[in-house]
Amino acid sequence: DTGVSQDPRHKITKRGQNVTFRCDPISEHNRLYWYRQTLGQGPEFLTYFQNEAQLEKSRLLSDRFSAERPKGSFSTLEIQRTEQGDSAMYLCASITPGSYDGYTFGSGTRLTVV
Amino acid sequence: QKEVEQNSGPLSVPEGAIASLNCTYSDRGSQSFFWYRQYSGKSPELIMFIYSNGDKEDGRFTAQLNKASQYVSLLIRDSQPSDSATYLCAGGGTTDSWGKLQFGAGTQVVVTP
Repeated sequence: DTGVSQDPRHKITKRGQNVTFRCDPISEHNRLYWYRQTLGQGPEFLTYFQNEAQLEKSRLLSDRFSAERPKGSFSTLEIQRTEQGDSAMYLCASITPGSYDGYTFGSGTRLTVV
Repeated sequence: QKEVEQNSGPLSVPEGAIASLNCTYSDRGSQSFFWYRQYSGKSPELIMFIYSNGDKEDGRFTAQLNKASQYVSLLIRDSQPSDSATYLCAGGGTTDSWGKLQFGAGTQVVVTP
């Protein structure tokens, strides 16, 4: 297992379109986290799952954002009706509860809304 | 007020010198602290994490944690041009949200030959 995988690496979309990103965590990790990072800022927490259950969602997250992890393996993050302010790097990380060893991020998905 | 604060830099360091990066945090519930390195356009790479007061060393990197002062630092010894990057500090591991990290905005480090 080579780590957390994210797809696509880059996405350019027109304002108003819907986009979906995928994250494949490290197989034995049952916690999965989504973050968003804009230019000049640190990553900002969006939501996280333990297995298939979404346990927390940032109150800053618009209802245009939804995330799923249907079988407790990969996760998807969908943004509906994209806006220019959604342009950012979307990052995924996975860990085993109780251990911070290997709290690493995937390569990220760079979203540009034009 | 941001929960994790870092100087934005840039911090200019001569090659071979020690780079010293600082971070303060406001949430006393945070139990663990992380340092990540991020190259432009790339995702953050974990350097190390620390959860006990004192020092933790890993190769050329040393993290220091002082919970009473709510202060975390990272020392990079024998700085190399490849260390030029943005360094992100993060706190996590509160009772309510174990695993959810709060990041600072990062400190840009420039190592000059």
